[in-house]
Amino acid sequence: GAGVSQSPSNKVTEKGKDVELRCDPISGHTALYWYRQSLGQGLEFLIYFQGNSAPDKSGLPSDRFSAERTGGSVSTLTIQRTQQEDSAVYLCASSLGLVNSPLHFGNGTRLTVT
Amino acid sequence: GDSVTQMEGPVTLSEEAFLTINCTYTATGYPSLFWYVQYPGEGLQLLLKATKADDKGSNKGFEATYRKETTSFHLEKGSVQVSDSAVYFCALSDRIDYKLSFGAGTTVTVRA
Repeated sequence: GAGVSQSPSNKVTEKGKDVELRCDPISGHTALYWYRQSLGQGLEFLIYFQGNSAPDKSGLPSDRFSAERTGGSVSTLTIQRTQQEDSAVYLCASSLGLVNSPLHFGNGTRLTVT
Repeated sequence: GDSVTQMEGPVTLSEEAFLTINCTYTATGYPSLFWYVQYPGEGLQLLLKATKADDKGSNKGFEATYRKETTSFHLEKGSVQVSDSAVYFCALSDRIDYKLSFGAGTTVTVRA
């Protein structure tokens, strides 16, 4: 079956521009997560959705970052006024939202801010 | 807050060698513990998990035992193959908000 799909796979943007990253979770998965993976770093938690609600936004690095999820499915992560330190791989994952449910990850969006 | 510390890489070893990747954690309560693996060009995928103390997770010849007394979850494989070359991430879930906290990842390269 289809896994978690992220688009675009690669994005190069100029400093100061806004970008939108999209995530299509596995059908039926109620929980959706965004992580950021920088070179040499672990996975940094950004935000988590249960349905369309985001009970934990604590990982968003600044107010330039926002995310939404509609219809309990697709999610968009938006970065406004991008900075060079935003360059990273942005990973989306989904799960059934139950205790110990494994996360299923997409292949990520590699963002490069020039 | 909850955190995971894992052995720094990179690790390079020969086929059929024994592999250990150390992982220790800090958490309040009783977390669940996971190992995820990222093969070249692929997304992260769950390798194994353990949900309570003394549980052993196993998959594809890999094993890890949840040790509450040492707050550890070390990953082991007795005889690695070239196809095991990947980045391995230790992770924990506090089981409250289902958020996973990941370690920095360990890159493993197995030479033929």
